[in-house]
Amino acid sequence: EADIYQTPRYLVIGTGKKITLECSQTMGHDKMYWYQQDPGMELHLIHYSYGVNSTEKGDLSSESTVSRIRTEHFPLTLESARPSHTSQYLCASQNGQGVGEDTQYFGPGTRLTVL
Amino acid sequence: EDQVTQSPEALRLQEGESSSLNCSYTVSGLRGLFWYRQDPGKGPEFLFTLYSAGEEKEKERLKATLTKKESFLHITAPKPEDSATYLCAVQEAGGSYIPTFGRGTSLIVHP
Repeated sequence: EADIYQTPRYLVIGTGKKITLECSQTMGHDKMYWYQQDPGMELHLIHYSYGVNSTEKGDLSSESTVSRIRTEHFPLTLESARPSHTSQYLCASQNGQGVGEDTQYFGPGTRLTVL
Repeated sequence: EDQVTQSPEALRLQEGESSSLNCSYTVSGLRGLFWYRQDPGKGPEFLFTLYSAGEEKEKERLKATLTKKESFLHITAPKPEDSATYLCAVQEAGGSYIPTFGRGTSLIVHP
């Protein structure tokens, strides 16, 4: 069973606020991902990391930033939240060390509403 | 061009009415195909990974199969608690580790 955690689970904030969404995993996985998902829509990759001090932007243009200072921790920061950022944010981790180790495991998600 | 296409988009079944969900893919080489279940407001929950054509995996009422161009998720005698969105994702051989997700099939099982 995957051990990946996200906090907060729900967040309602005003426009212009700076927020950080937390994601932690206890599996020692090198690879971690952030996805954005709107209701009934597919997952959009916004950031990923293949290890400590490694971060890359995904396909979805985003005004967020990430950091990877520790293997287990991959926070996502929005410097100035806007109503267009309202969405579900999903964090995932992956071992990726070879065949049979490629499965992504997801956290429970953070539902963000920007007023 | 979509690499992963899931059909149908939505499916309504009566309890006990077996059916199948389809995931077709167009990658040049397959490293792995993944099935997930997602409940509303929650993160996707891993179900199966398939690696080669002919492979099958089962879990309770679910069975996943794989051919060279598509995968099926068979649901036998479904129950209302099987209601969820089922996502398929494909990882391309020789590419990055990042899978490409389909849009999912929303399944509702009526009692």
